[in-house]
Amino acid sequence: GQQVMQIPQYQHVQEGEDFTTYCNSSTTLSNIQWYKQRPGGHPVFLIQLVKSGEVKKQKRLTFQFGEAKKNSSLHITATQTTDVGTYFCAMNRDDKIIFGKGTRLHILP
Amino acid sequence: DTEVTQTPKHLVMGMTNKKSLKCEQHMGHRAMYWYKQKAKKPPELMFVYSYEKLSINESVPSRFSPECPNSSLLNLHLHALQPEDSALYLCASSQVIGGKKAFFGQGTRLTVV
Repeated sequence: GQQVMQIPQYQHVQEGEDFTTYCNSSTTLSNIQWYKQRPGGHPVFLIQLVKSGEVKKQKRLTFQFGEAKKNSSLHITATQTTDVGTYFCAMNRDDKIIFGKGTRLHILP
Repeated sequence: DTEVTQTPKHLVMGMTNKKSLKCEQHMGHRAMYWYKQKAKKPPELMFVYSYEKLSINESVPSRFSPECPNSSLLNLHLHALQPEDSALYLCASSQVIGGKKAFFGQGTRLTVV
């Protein structure tokens, strides 16, 4: 069935460096959502993207939806220790919310 | 109130026990979900309720039995579980089924011994 592939699986960055995670689909998506899950926590909704080529910013986080609505990215500028966690993209399919495998971000002090 | 509340936070149960997980939301959401999450894996959908009716069952074994008593409450009844069922069980809600924004509870960390 339709899935979203997310890369990389893990990322270690030095504090202050930038971080990007990518989400790709083989088919056109109606929308894409991003969630963050802190270690020991639960997924927290960050944003949804609906329009082709859409770019949204939340402070140091920049979210993009591809022109063909088949890919998306989350970019964090100047990472901080509070950014630690797993970032999931998610898609809607047949009334379900289906998650990508996630990118686990580890920050080196 | 944008919270989804789950109880208990932790649960240890034997393979012959019967227990229930509870979930509550007061956001007026009409879709509620149960997800199972193993360590270092994404949440995996189990059940979806829409307007208090079971809409989706992702071929979950019958030892897991969901119930939606009203629009604010969602239960998951557990019976004769296996050790491999140990996981974090997450409840979520959205305005309508297939919603583009889901709110998750803190989860119940279940250990089956």
